[in-house]
Amino acid sequence: GAVVSQHPSWVICKSGTSVKIECRSLDFQATTMFWYRQFPKQSLMLMATSNEGSKATYEQGVEKDKFLINHASLTLSTLTVTSAHPEDSSFYICSARGLGVDTQYFGPGTRLTVL
Amino acid sequence: TQLLEQSPQFLSIQEGENLTVYCNSSSVFSSLQWYRQEPGEGPVLLVTVVTGGEVKKLKRLTFQFGDARKDSSLHITAAQTGDTGLYLCAGGETSGSRLTFGEGTQLTVNP
Repeated sequence: GAVVSQHPSWVICKSGTSVKIECRSLDFQATTMFWYRQFPKQSLMLMATSNEGSKATYEQGVEKDKFLINHASLTLSTLTVTSAHPEDSSFYICSARGLGVDTQYFGPGTRLTVL
Repeated sequence: TQLLEQSPQFLSIQEGENLTVYCNSSSVFSSLQWYRQEPGEGPVLLVTVVTGGEVKKLKRLTFQFGDARKDSSLHITAAQTGDTGLYLCAGGETSGSRLTFGEGTQLTVNP
């Protein structure tokens, strides 16, 4: 199956700092990448959809200036949490999808803890 | 916005028992995926079904897509402790690339 990696797997930062999370598709070209947020014992909440070379589309209620998404290549997307606060602490998961394919392949997730 | 209702939300059974998880919607989906997620990890794809009425088997797991492509079920036969995890169904929206996720079913199989 398709492999998607995320880095880092966990990060602890101080309030007010920015954190960048990388999502890579290792063995296929991801025309579309998705960023999700997941709280304990809950399902995934879609934050934004990004297509390679275009601006990301954010879901309602997600601040685009706080969660910066870049999808500069067909194998890499980044999510930057700017001026992080404790309420941003969560499990962030990316997924990637190839052209013309419905199935999304998920990364292993990044645990963000903001102190 | 398309919605997927997943049930039950929690399920605790003994090893060897059978179980079924359901995903229902009033909307039509272009495809339906089932994922299994363990704590601290990303969801792992189990199966994708795309044709109404389709049935797929993966060892002790049987997946079915409803004839109208609005619902799906996951049946596990003779559950094992290793089946413990969060099971998520996700429907591919006909109008775009997004997946609509169900709320998840937390399955615990006790020895």
